[in-house]
Amino acid sequence: KAGVTQTPRYLIKTRGQQVTLSCSPISGHRSVSWYQQTPGQGLQFLFEYFSETQRNKGNFPGRFSGRQFSNSRSEMNVSTLELGDSALYLCASSTGTGLYGYTFGSGTRLTVV
Amino acid sequence: GEDVEQSLFLSVREGDSSVINCTYTDSSSTYLYWYKQEPGAGLQLLTYIFSNMDMKQDQRLTVLLNKKDKHLSLRIADTQTGDSAIYFCAESGGSGTYKYIFGTGTRLKVLA
Repeated sequence: KAGVTQTPRYLIKTRGQQVTLSCSPISGHRSVSWYQQTPGQGLQFLFEYFSETQRNKGNFPGRFSGRQFSNSRSEMNVSTLELGDSALYLCASSTGTGLYGYTFGSGTRLTVV
Repeated sequence: GEDVEQSLFLSVREGDSSVINCTYTDSSSTYLYWYKQEPGAGLQLLTYIFSNMDMKQDQRLTVLLNKKDKHLSLRIADTQTGDSAIYFCAESGGSGTYKYIFGTGTRLKVLA
């Protein structure tokens, strides 16, 4: 079956702009999580959605937001981009609690110039 | 707070065993994981272990858990060049939090 699909794979934006990243989970998976990966901070949890409800949120400013649609697809939005937002953004999906592991997508590489 | 630590680098010769270590601080962690990341790719789940287990074996992979010392290790037997990657351990952040706390990652380099 198809894996977790993230679009676009690469993105270049200018400081101050906003960006929307998309994630399509594995069919049947209702939980979608987002992580930011940077060389300095490593992998950090952004938020997790299940059945269109945010169940947990990491320690990121309000410029980072997300949502999940009824078909379990998810988007995350970053407004007023800063240079420090340059990172690999990873989406992961699971059937429910994620306790048996999440399946990750290949990520979206965002560069802010 | 929650923290997961790993050594940054490990270099082994092809055919040898690799042991990647991880320590965590959250004693309520019920599930612990090992993920592999190859260049330009996302994370691939290798294996996981429940906190009520001491050991889990899956083909070339052996996971050891010492709950008392909050220490987790991943042993890769007969390491191959294709095993070169970054390995992350992660803990589940406590039941019901729906998030992982990842370690810093260990870069494994396998020398032919």
